[in-house]
Amino acid sequence: EAGVTQSPTHLIKTRGQQATLRCSPISGHTSVYWYQQALGLGLQFLLWYDEGEERNRGNFPPRFSGRQFPNYSSELNVNALELEDSALYLCASSLELASDEQYFGPGTRLTVT
Amino acid sequence: SQQGEEDPQALSIQEGENATMNCSYKTSINNLQWYRQNSGRGLVHLILIRSNEREKHSGRLRVTLDTSKKSSSLLITASRAADTASYFCATDVTGGGNKLTFGTGTQLKVEL
Repeated sequence: EAGVTQSPTHLIKTRGQQATLRCSPISGHTSVYWYQQALGLGLQFLLWYDEGEERNRGNFPPRFSGRQFPNYSSELNVNALELEDSALYLCASSLELASDEQYFGPGTRLTVT
Repeated sequence: SQQGEEDPQALSIQEGENATMNCSYKTSINNLQWYRQNSGRGLVHLILIRSNEREKHSGRLRVTLDTSKKSSSLLITASRAADTASYFCATDVTGGGNKLTFGTGTQLKVEL
């Protein structure tokens, strides 16, 4: 069974640009989560999508947004990139709305210069 | 702020020894999950323990949960060099909307 996949592996952008990160959940999983792991800040929850709807949002500005597609894959968009957005962005998926194990992908390392 | 605080921050042991990591949290939870991360890569799910469980085993891993003390421990028995990694606890806080709140992590180094 394939795990959570993310693309690209690495992304280098310039301050002010936009970044798009992609995630495909484990087959059968309907919930997708995004987390940011920035140096010195630890792992922080960004967004949760289920059945195409945004269910929960972490304490991040509106320039962090995303969506979930009918096939349950998801995109994270970061607009007006700032240097401090440099981080490892991790996507996770789980079976359903109920509290359950979240399985993580390998991450996308975003570097903003 | 981090929901979970892990102790110790770093741990260095010899292969074959046991490693114990502790996690404390602040609010009531639905479950607590432990993850491993190798060299800044993705997180590997190790074990989930629900709030009504006190102990769980998976292979060489043993997790305990004490909801009265709001703490959990992860024991890795007979450690191997391949266990070298960072270990995180993550809590699914009651009413938190499925988001996981991560601890600060313990860096484990297992030496040959």
